[in-house]
Amino acid sequence: DAGVTQSPTHLIKTRGQQVTLRCSPISGHKSVSWYQQVLGQGPQFIFQYYEKEERGRGNFPDRFSARQFPNYSSELNVNALLLGDSALYLCASSSSGGITGELFFGEGSRLTVL
Amino acid sequence: DQQVKQNSPSLSVQEGRISILNCDYTNSMFDYFLWYKKYPAEGPTFLISISSIKDKNEDGRFTVFLNKSAKHLSLHIVPSQPGDSAVYFCAALSNTGNQFYFGTGTSLTVIP
Repeated sequence: DAGVTQSPTHLIKTRGQQVTLRCSPISGHKSVSWYQQVLGQGPQFIFQYYEKEERGRGNFPDRFSARQFPNYSSELNVNALLLGDSALYLCASSSSGGITGELFFGEGSRLTVL
Repeated sequence: DQQVKQNSPSLSVQEGRISILNCDYTNSMFDYFLWYKKYPAEGPTFLISISSIKDKNEDGRFTVFLNKSAKHLSLHIVPSQPGDSAVYFCAALSNTGNQFYFGTGTSLTVIP
């Protein structure tokens, strides 16, 4: 079975631009979470979606938005990019909305903002 | 505010010996804890978890210990193998929340 897949794997943007990152969860998983990992830090929670509804949001500005589609895939959008948005963006899926089990992570999308 | 802390950024251990990775947390509402392992250019992979109703969980070479009064958990790897070399993150989940809080990670190097 395919794991969590993310695209693109690497991308370079300039300040002020917008970016869309995509994620396909493990088949059968209905929950998708997004995390930002800055170099030298642990992953920081951005969003969780379950059954196409936002279930949680971390301490990130409104420039960050996300959505989940009927097939449970998800997109993370970041507008008006700042240098500090440079990070590895991780998508994780789980089978339940309450996250009682572990998260399964994709390999991440490495975003560099110049 | 870092609610989950891993105060050792790195650890080196000889092959065959025990590796002990430590994690401290501040939020008494955390009731589920996990350890993740991360290789370069890969996403974190789940290793082992423990619920707050237990104080120990074992899975093969990996054992996690939880001391709730001290708000401390540790991961023991015995015996350590070179393939265990990776960054280890501990993560905690609140019984009221839906997000995991991760520590900053400990880079483990197992020397052959």
